[in-house]
Formats: sequence, structure tokens, C-alpha cells
Amino acid sequence: QVQLQESGPGLVKPSETLSLTCSVSGGSVSSGSYYWSWFRQPPGKGLEWIGYVYYSGSTHYNPSLKSRVKISLDTPKNQFSLNLKYVTAADTALYYCARKADYGSLFEPWGQGTLVTVSS
Amino acid sequence: QSALTQPASVSGSPGQSITISCTGTSSDIGGYNYVSWYQQHPGKAPKLMIYDVTNRPSGVSNRFSGSKSGNTASLTISGLQAEDEADYFCSSHTSSSSWVFGGGTKLTVL
Repeated sequence: QVQLQESGPGLVKPSETLSLTCSVSGGSVSSGSYYWSWFRQPPGKGLEWIGYVYYSGSTHYNPSLKSRVKISLDTPKNQFSLNLKYVTAADTALYYCARKADYGSLFEPWGQGTLVTVSS
Repeated sequence: QSALTQPASVSGSPGQSITISCTGTSSDIGGYNYVSWYQQHPGKAPKLMIYDVTNRPSGVSNRFSGSKSGNTASLTISGLQAEDEADYFCSSHTSSSSWVFGGGTKLTVL
């Protein structure tokens, strides 16, 4: 049973880079045909897809964030990561990682989420 | 403003059925059979309830069903139970190869 767990700093200063890691257990990020995904949810608001990295390493990003985002695989550590540059208060949110099947809209499982606050 | 439109709230009594709508465009819901629905209880991660318009992941009750007509997708919950009280979000693939969400619907079980 695959499980995902987000980790990273809970506080980031404005204009700096937000960096999070999603650790995967019970499966490998480099085997099978899966997309490894990031989402976020500002407190009290809706969900937003950030992007994903395919098991092969190719990436797809939300057009609204594309200029600031990088998602990558770390296969030796069985993890994938999110980097978001030049953050502002608007980037304050719960950040979730999830796995998506090769085809379709099957995003499952999800991590429990980690809150990142952007503040000086 | 979310890309997909959902009612802010719906309510129903235990045992009743309710339907939550999710309206998009021909560039998202109307163009692909890649609509999913998530349930989210307070302080918890989203849980996938329906994917690819009508499919239920393993372990999800058959009281939950999904459908689509044109640019509008729907989630129906039959035999409402107190534990169904939560926020529900719809999502769809888009013509720009991204994924968009609705603003969420708060379900109250009376």
C-alpha cells in the first residue's frame, strides 16, 4: 500500500524559495506509469493543482505557476520535490502531494498535507 | 474565482439523496471524461470519491455516484449519512493539459 508524506519548512520569507519533499513508501517513484503530483489549498479555500513529474522525469505545470515552479524526482531517496520561487503571502497554503495513474483522473493516494506560511 | 462552478452549499436529511453540480466549459468538463470528485472533512486531506466521471476507487461506498451531461458534471449521494457531512470538490482535466477545481460545496446533513 503506497503512502505519501510531505515535509519541509513551515515558514518561508517573502521573495525566497519554498522547498518541499514528498517521501513515498510502499512503492517506487521510478517504477510503473505514474505521475507524482503537488497540490495546494490556501486556508479556508479551494484546491489548486501545481504540477506533476512523470516517472520518466518529464514535467507538467499549472500555467499560472509555471514560471516559478520546479518539480523533480529523487529516485535514490524514493522522493519527489517541489520548489516554488519568489513566494509571496498568496503562496501561504496547505501543500499536498499525491500520485496519479498514467491515464485518467485517478489521483490517489494523497499525503496528509503540510502547512507553509509565507511571512517575514 | 474558480474555473469550475459549484453551489456553495447543499443540505439533506439522513436517508435522502442529494446531487452536487459542477459546471465548466467545452475546454474542460465538456471535452474530457476526466472528472473527479473529492470529499474533505475539516483538517483532513482530500479523499477521492469518483474518478473518470463515474468510477469509484476501491473502498468508496456505492452510495456515491457520478455523471456528466455536456459541460456539467454531477455527484449524487444516496442514503445520506451523518458521516457524509463534508466539503466536496470537483476537478477536471483541461485543454491546456492542466487540472482545474471547483470552489467546493459544503454538504450539511440535517
